[in-house]
Amino acid sequence: AQSVSQHNHHVILSEAASLELGCNYSYGGTVNLFWYVQYPGQHLQLLLKYFSGDPLVKGIKGFEAEFIKSKFSFNLRKPSVQWSDTAEYFCAVNAMDSSYKLIFGSGTRLLVRP
Amino acid sequence: NAGVMQNPRHLVRRRGQEARLRCSPMKGHSHVYWYRQLPEEGLKFMVYLQKENIIDESGMPKERFSAEFPKEGPSILRIQQVVRGDSAAYFCASSPLGGQSRQPQHFGDGTRLSIL
Repeated sequence: AQSVSQHNHHVILSEAASLELGCNYSYGGTVNLFWYVQYPGQHLQLLLKYFSGDPLVKGIKGFEAEFIKSKFSFNLRKPSVQWSDTAEYFCAVNAMDSSYKLIFGSGTRLLVRP
Repeated sequence: NAGVMQNPRHLVRRRGQEARLRCSPMKGHSHVYWYRQLPEEGLKFMVYLQKENIIDESGMPKERFSAEFPKEGPSILRIQQVVRGDSAAYFCASSPLGGQSRQPQHFGDGTRLSIL
């Protein structure tokens, strides 16, 4: 069965610190990969996605993620976080043969201190 | 351009009552997905519907839960005879295309269901 693991449940950073959130998935076939963000009291928003091509994907708000196929990983990065990045971040995967069924990780709550 | 609209945002029910959660997809979207998020867990797929059709309900509990997406009106997730374990956030998403498409899903704000 497919699964997604997010290693850090809670992360606390100061403004301007660099961010890396881990995401690993288990699935033997071709996948699409996503990072969603949920700001307090708001809906899930798509940060970035990977379907194919360049494994380094740039998203909105300065976020990027790198797909490393050999490690089944899709880590999210941002060089310098802001207080407004405080949110919960979800990694998600869907398999090419059932692409509507998103499999989510349990989420990482990021708190950025001003 | 209105996004995915879910209502109510918060719903409180007593054990044994029925809960009805509504979802209006984005304009132009005919594919709807329901997910459930239990406390401290990620979202889990429940059901995928197109207008008047249930495409995949493999994530739905076998009893008490049902979903529909009629020709007119919103999609409804219905939970009969609710129990404490049904307390969760229920999210609806929509996309213009479905199936094998790579269209990202757009999510609503969710309905937080609390069972007393």
